[in-house]
Amino acid sequence: DAGITQSPRHKVTETGTPVTLRCHQTENHRYMYWYRQDPGHGLRLIHYSYGVKDTDKGEVSDGYSVSRSKTEDFLLTLESATSSQTSVYFCAISETPGLAGGPGTGELFFGEGSRLTVL
Amino acid sequence: AQSVSQHNHHVILSEAASLELGCNYSYGGTVNLFWYVQYPGQHLQLLLKYFSGDPLVKGIKGFEAEFIKSKFSFNLRKPSVQWSDTAEYFCAVTAFYNQGGKLIFGQGTELSVKP
Repeated sequence: DAGITQSPRHKVTETGTPVTLRCHQTENHRYMYWYRQDPGHGLRLIHYSYGVKDTDKGEVSDGYSVSRSKTEDFLLTLESATSSQTSVYFCAISETPGLAGGPGTGELFFGEGSRLTVL
Repeated sequence: AQSVSQHNHHVILSEAASLELGCNYSYGGTVNLFWYVQYPGQHLQLLLKYFSGDPLVKGIKGFEAEFIKSKFSFNLRKPSVQWSDTAEYFCAVTAFYNQGGKLIFGQGTELSVKP
């Protein structure tokens, strides 16, 4: 398994409180992603990073921010948690973007997930 | 915007039955296509992928998928399912020029295999 550690694995918090989820990798992969998984929606991309200090928004970025100050760490922050952000959050990494005809496999390796409950 | 549709939300099969899960995507350019599987309580892992070449792709555990460009489809198949195939299956797509190679996932299909 790829060396990806998410913390915390489980968290219960109250509406309005800040929450930070951490993704740590030991693979030295350039690309890192945060997805959320909700029933009926599959996985939806929140934010991603294509290098240190290089991040961009995904399809459901409202209410979330990210930071990547080191290759190995990608932090997801909910500035003021809401009940709609109750979800399972998955971090993923990729060595290359896997562009058609380009190098690498494009495969994403996923962490174990962080279950967040906002009351 | 790119989108991925998986038509079956929940499929229930008996062991040894054949499986086909549908996946369609909306992007017209060159794409990379993936099927991921999530066993109960576990994280996602790759089943198979298509980049180019032979449109019939074989993956792990006896799964295969066929890319039909004219239909924008990438259906997953297995001739004979086992109870251990019970899981959720996700189709995913990334476009050729997609900055960061971000994958867009379908909604997922839950497969339940009865022993």
